[in-house]
Amino acid sequence: AQSVSQHNHHVILSEAASLELGCNYSYGGTVNLFWYVQYPGQHLQLLLKYFSGDPLVKGIKGFEAEFIKSKFSFNLRKPSVQWSDTAEYFCAVNILTGGGNKLTFGTGTQLKVEL
Amino acid sequence: KAGVTQTPRYLIKTRGQQVTLSCSPISGHRSVSWYQQTPGQGLQFLFEYFSETQRNKGNFPGRFSGRQFSNSRSEMNVSTLELGDSALYLCASSLDGDGAFFGQGTRLTVV
Repeated sequence: AQSVSQHNHHVILSEAASLELGCNYSYGGTVNLFWYVQYPGQHLQLLLKYFSGDPLVKGIKGFEAEFIKSKFSFNLRKPSVQWSDTAEYFCAVNILTGGGNKLTFGTGTQLKVEL
Repeated sequence: KAGVTQTPRYLIKTRGQQVTLSCSPISGHRSVSWYQQTPGQGLQFLFEYFSETQRNKGNFPGRFSGRQFSNSRSEMNVSTLELGDSALYLCASSLDGDGAFFGQGTRLTVV
């Protein structure tokens, strides 16, 4: 069965620091990749997604992610974080690329941004 | 556009009872998926419905079931509740695999 690993469970950064959250998946076939964010007290929101094409994808709020097929990775980045980025971030994979939604999620990374 | 709406937001049930949760997807979305979120197991896929048919299923016991209506609204049912069923149940809708949009969830507590 496919799995998704997020290596950092808790990350603490100061405002304006750069962010990179790791995500690796285990599946040899074609995948659709996603990053979701859950702000305190709010529902899961889609940050960005990768289906095909340019491996560098840009999402909302200045986030971007790079798909590296050879490393089975889809790392999330932001050049300069803000206090409002404090949230939990989830990487997710859908192997049903021909149709269907069956997301496998990582365990999440809790990001705290300090002023 | 209205988002995904789940009702009720909170539920307290007793062991052995059954519960039905409801989900209204974003207008035009025909795929509805359900997930269970717990501190220990994280987010786990329950099942997906598309055009009133269960299209994909996760690894949950048969006590967990669902259905989808012709207007794409979906319900999820859990029978013979156990303490371990206490969780946040999330519904997500999608056009078809293009990225799921989640609701606020139903917080189920089994006592």
